[in-house]
Amino acid sequence: DGGITQSPKYLFRKEGQNVTLSCEQNLNHDAMYWYRQDPGQGLRLIYYSQIVNDFQKGDIAEGYSVSREKKESFPLTVTSAQKNPTAFYLCASSWDRENTGELFFGEGSRLTVL
Amino acid sequence: AQSVTQPDIHITVSEGASLELRCNYSYGATPYLFWYVQSPGQGLQLLLKYFSGDTLVQGIKGFEAEFKRSQSSFNLRKPSVHWSDAAEYFCAVGRRGGGYNKLIFGAGTRLAVHP
Repeated sequence: DGGITQSPKYLFRKEGQNVTLSCEQNLNHDAMYWYRQDPGQGLRLIYYSQIVNDFQKGDIAEGYSVSREKKESFPLTVTSAQKNPTAFYLCASSWDRENTGELFFGEGSRLTVL
Repeated sequence: AQSVTQPDIHITVSEGASLELRCNYSYGATPYLFWYVQSPGQGLQLLLKYFSGDTLVQGIKGFEAEFKRSQSSFNLRKPSVHWSDAAEYFCAVGRRGGGYNKLIFGAGTRLAVHP
């Protein structure tokens, strides 16, 4: 079945450690995104990528890094510079065309910093 | 700047009752509009979307939404709620032309359904 796979589903990290969240899609979508979700704040865009080897900062990119070496993969690294990393992280993908606009989401990764 | 407001943080309805979730947006032109649903600990699923044309949009699971340009609103409705509709609902707006897929989401409305 086509879809987006995020791993791990739950992750615990000590302060000062970097952690990488995986996102893989087999939908042949051009664009991929990372959102952060906090209670009562909806979703906020961290990074997005519209093509391989290119990505742009979203609204809250500080303390995060990404790479897009393959069309299918868009991993997110939460660095020790992120001051409040405990959150639910959602990866999404879409066709990069004007007449669609729908985002397809993975099931999320919950990161807890101890 | 674009923004989306969902005025109701929590709504509780009885099973079988009608439902309306409110969404207001701020945008200089006609945007793309979306409603997504999220079950606890899960990703988001698209319920419906408005791009152009008929302002009453039908979606999955019996939901519909109406775009009202004069009120900058895109409210979600369902005539009879089922217990399985309990979830969090997000309204989102996208820009037309370049970057439409960078959606701006509202804060969400959590729906509880009483038996």
